[in-house]
Amino acid sequence: QSALTQPASVSGSPGQSITISCTGTSSDVGAYNYVSWYQQHPGKAPKVIIFDVSERPSGVSNRFSGSKSGNTASLTISGLQAEDESDYYCSSYTSSITYVFGTGTKVTVL
Amino acid sequence: QVQLVQSGAEVKKSGASVKVSCESSGYTFSGYWVHWVRQAPGQGLEWVGCINGDSGVRYYAQKFQGRVTITRDTSINTAYVELSGLTSDDMAVYYCAREASGSRYPGDLWGQGTLVTVSS
Repeated sequence: QSALTQPASVSGSPGQSITISCTGTSSDVGAYNYVSWYQQHPGKAPKVIIFDVSERPSGVSNRFSGSKSGNTASLTISGLQAEDESDYYCSSYTSSITYVFGTGTKVTVL
Repeated sequence: QVQLVQSGAEVKKSGASVKVSCESSGYTFSGYWVHWVRQAPGQGLEWVGCINGDSGVRYYAQKFQGRVTITRDTSINTAYVELSGLTSDDMAVYYCAREASGSRYPGDLWGQGTLVTVSS
């Protein structure tokens, strides 16, 4: 099972919107609506910010939104803030009854 | 308090095995899956496998088949991951994470992580 493909880095200015893509296959991202996104600050455990493609856990800012088209899922951060600077990972359930994570994206707030 | 508490850091020799524990509290252990995810220094997240707290059914990433064993002890609400034949590539922080109820994603709750160091 290969890792899902994410851009290595994405940057934006405060207040802007950015989008991170997560490309998989018809056996994972394309097969199920079980795509999740995680934010991870250095030295900390990941924190889920989106699950089931577009659902937000309680307490997560509505500036985070998710979507999916075919084999590619996307995370959009709107109204970018300095605190959003972090690493972001997508994950998907797969047809092998396993899970796979994305390669990770470093978000920089300029 | 709902939490997952993992065992402390480990230092192992190449070729050895390591076993990391993850004790749950504050919720019904048997009602959830527990996943193991690792992260090598400066690298991304990698799914290792998972276990059902009730039935004990397990699934592993293909990469670790034959080398990893995930178990649980319901009497003490604890899950374990054991990895054998350690190499320097296994040096990582190992996290346990609870799968959310009603969905399929690891990590509505995470342990603090356990650093496994492999020395030659």
